[in-house]
Amino acid sequence: SQQGEEDPQALSIQEGENATMNCSYKTSINNLQWYRQNSGRGLVHLILIRSNEREKHSGRLRVTLDTSKKSSSLLITASRAADTASYFCATDFMYSGGGADGLTFGKGTHLIIQP
Amino acid sequence: EPEVTQTPSHQVTQMGQEVILRCVPISNHLYFYWYRQILGQKVEFLVSFYNNEISEKSEIFDDQFSVERPDGSNFTLKIRSTKLEDSAMYFCASSTGQGGAQHFGDGTRLSIL
Repeated sequence: SQQGEEDPQALSIQEGENATMNCSYKTSINNLQWYRQNSGRGLVHLILIRSNEREKHSGRLRVTLDTSKKSSSLLITASRAADTASYFCATDFMYSGGGADGLTFGKGTHLIIQP
Repeated sequence: EPEVTQTPSHQVTQMGQEVILRCVPISNHLYFYWYRQILGQKVEFLVSFYNNEISEKSEIFDDQFSVERPDGSNFTLKIRSTKLEDSAMYFCASSTGQGGAQHFGDGTRLSIL
C-alpha cells in the first residue's frame, strides 16, 4: 500500500526561521495534501497540490512536488510560535472513477517553534 | 466558517459493548469519511461514504464496524462489540468533491475498559 512518510520526525527552530518538512510516498497519486494537527485537535487542511503541479504557494506556505522522486516538501517561512504543531502529508489513491477516496497519512513531523 | 462536529468528545465503554460515534458533516458536502488515530501512531483511513453507500474501506473496517447516514445531516460509525484495541481517537471528515480537501472534526476519544 502507498504511504506518506515525513522527515524529520521532529524539528525545533527559532521563531522567524524557515521550517522545511519532507514527505515521500510509494505509489502513483492524484494529489498530495498537507495537514496540520494541534495537540488533541482534528486535522486542518493546509494545501493541496495536484500530480501535474510542481509548486504551490499559500501565504507563508510553499509546497513542492516531484512525482519522479515521489516526494514533496512543505516550507513554512518566517515561522511563528503559533505554527507549533504536527504536520502530515496525505496521499489519495489513483481511482478509476466515482466514489470517495480515503487518504493515507504519514507519521508526521512535530514542529516546535521556540519564541 | 462551517465545521464538522463530532459527539461525544470522549466515550468510555466496557469491552464487548456497542458504541455509536456521531458526526455532523458540513452541510453541502457529499463525501464522508471516518479515520482513527491510535495514541502516538499515524492517522488511519477506515471508510469512505458517497451517494448513500460505502465507497471504499480499509482492512481495519471489518464486520464489527458499520456506517450509516440516517438522515440528511448525521453520519455515524458503529462498533458492534468493542475490543481493547479499538481505543483511539476517531475522526470524521467530509469534502465537497472527490480528491479534494477534507475537513475534519475534532474527534471522539474512545476508551475501551
